[in-house]
Amino acid sequence: SQQGEEDPQALSIQEGENATMNCSYKTSINNLQWYRQNSGRGLVHLILIRSNEREKHSGRLRVTLDTSKKSSSLLITASRAADTASYFCATHVRNSGYSTLTFGKGTMLLVSP
Amino acid sequence: DADVTQTPRNRITKTGKRIMLECSQTKGHDRMYWYRQDPGLGLRLIYYSFDVKDINKGEISDGYSVSRQAQAKFSLSLESAIPNQTALYFCATSLGGSSYEQYFGPGTRLTVT
Repeated sequence: SQQGEEDPQALSIQEGENATMNCSYKTSINNLQWYRQNSGRGLVHLILIRSNEREKHSGRLRVTLDTSKKSSSLLITASRAADTASYFCATHVRNSGYSTLTFGKGTMLLVSP
Repeated sequence: DADVTQTPRNRITKTGKRIMLECSQTKGHDRMYWYRQDPGLGLRLIYYSFDVKDINKGEISDGYSVSRQAQAKFSLSLESAIPNQTALYFCATSLGGSSYEQYFGPGTRLTVT
């Protein structure tokens, strides 16, 4: 079963606009990560936020985490056509001594020039 | 050269055939993973290995087996391929510990006819 669920499923914006994607999850986590996937290619790690952090920045990316609501958001500011990709949240959960990542279904972002 | 490589990149096979997908990494990571990606379903974990002697089933291991031949090599086998195993398969690696960022290979597109 999916731990993380992204919203919206698809997002279409113009270059220069901001893009916000949300992720909700069900169980307590150690950390939450965001990944990007260009069409049909491998995922690339963007940013990790730990359960005791509320906000994190990396370049044009801003991630927030609200553990009380079990939700996270990814904001991409001043988007570019090259940001067109699918974005996935992944939750890190400890399970019987092992830790694995559980991925959501992704948000497909289209940035038009 | 890519840190995580997968072979083959594309494969078409017939129902009932045995097929092996291979993954190699030069990152020196102990942990390796196999995922499958289906449209609209995100990534699902098939098997994972935290070191050469450690193999664990993931969310969807039925119909698959793995072999960890060395720290750098992790193979996924489909003993008797069936059409609903048509998917994009990804290998990933990570260090241990709390950072848990994963590095993905380019993927293998498998079609079972």
